[in-house]
Amino acid sequence: KAGVTQTPRYLIKTRGQQVTLSCSPISGHRSVSWYQQTPGQGLQFLFEYFSETQRNKGNFPGRFSGRQFSNSRSEMNVSTLELGDSALYLCASSLGLDRGLLSSYNEQFFGPGTRLTVL
Amino acid sequence: GIQVEQSPPDLILQEGANSTLRCNFSDSVNNLQWFHQNPWGQLINLFYIPSGTKQNGRLSATTVATERYSLLYISSSQTTDSGVYFCAVGFNQAGTALIFGKGTTLSVSS
Repeated sequence: KAGVTQTPRYLIKTRGQQVTLSCSPISGHRSVSWYQQTPGQGLQFLFEYFSETQRNKGNFPGRFSGRQFSNSRSEMNVSTLELGDSALYLCASSLGLDRGLLSSYNEQFFGPGTRLTVL
Repeated sequence: GIQVEQSPPDLILQEGANSTLRCNFSDSVNNLQWFHQNPWGQLINLFYIPSGTKQNGRLSATTVATERYSLLYISSSQTTDSGVYFCAVGFNQAGTALIFGKGTTLSVSS
């Protein structure tokens, strides 16, 4: 079974531009979550989508948005890029069927990440 | 607030040594995972272990949810074990989000 894929793997943008990152989850997984990793803040949760609906959201400004399509693929968008948005963006997928329960359905599997550099 | 603390922050070992990494968390959990981040940034799943004990080869993990901690054991370390190990916790009050610790950086030398 293929793993989580993310495109592009590397991206260089300038301040003020916007960017769209894509994530394809493991086949059969309906939940997609996004995380940002920076040296200063570590790994932080951005948001989660399940069945095309945002189910959970982290503490990031509105410049960060996302969506999920009917095939569970997800995109995240960052508008008006700032230097501080330079980071590794990781996508994770899970079955997501039993939210909040002690079930392996909650186990998250990560993609290889997109490394975004903002100049 | 919700907190995940890992210790030690750095660990230097000789090949063949054993090690124990610890993860303390502040509240009831619905998910706990251990990851190894490779040099290219990908998070490799080691264990999904919100409670109990699991073993996979030279690695094992134990979570005592009532006492709010988890341990990752690495036996007979190899140089390929080097990297950053993360504990990530899902808290009931935070839905499906994983809250990550700051990680333990392990360096194994031959």
